[in-house]
Amino acid sequence: AQSVAQPEDQVNVAEGNPLTVKCTYSVSGNPYLFWYVQYPNRGLQFLLKYITGDNLVKGSYGFEAEFNKSQTSFHLKKPSALVSDSALYFCAVRDMRAAGNKLTFGGGTRVLVKP
Amino acid sequence: EADIYQTPRYLVIGTGKKITLECSQTMGHDKMYWYQQDPGMELHLIHYSYGVNSTEKGDLSSESTVSRIRTEHFPLTLESARPSHTSQYLCASSDAAVSGIYNEQFFGPGTRLTVL
Repeated sequence: AQSVAQPEDQVNVAEGNPLTVKCTYSVSGNPYLFWYVQYPNRGLQFLLKYITGDNLVKGSYGFEAEFNKSQTSFHLKKPSALVSDSALYFCAVRDMRAAGNKLTFGGGTRVLVKP
Repeated sequence: EADIYQTPRYLVIGTGKKITLECSQTMGHDKMYWYQQDPGMELHLIHYSYGVNSTEKGDLSSESTVSRIRTEHFPLTLESARPSHTSQYLCASSDAAVSGIYNEQFFGPGTRLTVL
């Protein structure tokens, strides 16, 4: 079984400050990890993924995420947040051993960047 | 332009009506998915398909049904809508990379369904 936890329902940050959105996962094998962002009344947009290789993954809009196998975490980060980064963020995991491409999503974290 | 489309974007309908939510993708992806997103934001997989004539139930039990007669088309049907079906429904698709590793899922804009 695979699962994802996003421990924070909401993250508030001032514009220009660093932004971190936390994600921890549980899989029986090696994980594929993804971050998505959802703006109001829109579908999910892909930000970045970790499949293998370098633990620091760079994605769209200046976001990056660090894969930490020992802590089973994949936190999303942005060095300097913008007001336009205010949205819902979802972490997702897929167990490499699992058949098909079923993703398990976290509960989502709402990010509010204040000017 | 390669994309994934959902229609309608918004639907308000009375109890007992039959509805079909449309999802089409022009990316040539073989895998397609339906998610239900509740008001608390969480996403739940309700149906998926690995290709034509393949459909499977997802992790969350749903009274809806799906079909996959064509690669690009994955409609979801509710035979008799109820207020408990009120939700946002998101369609997604994905494909396998040349290496055999599955790529990320691409999402449509969603259909917000309200059943009165």
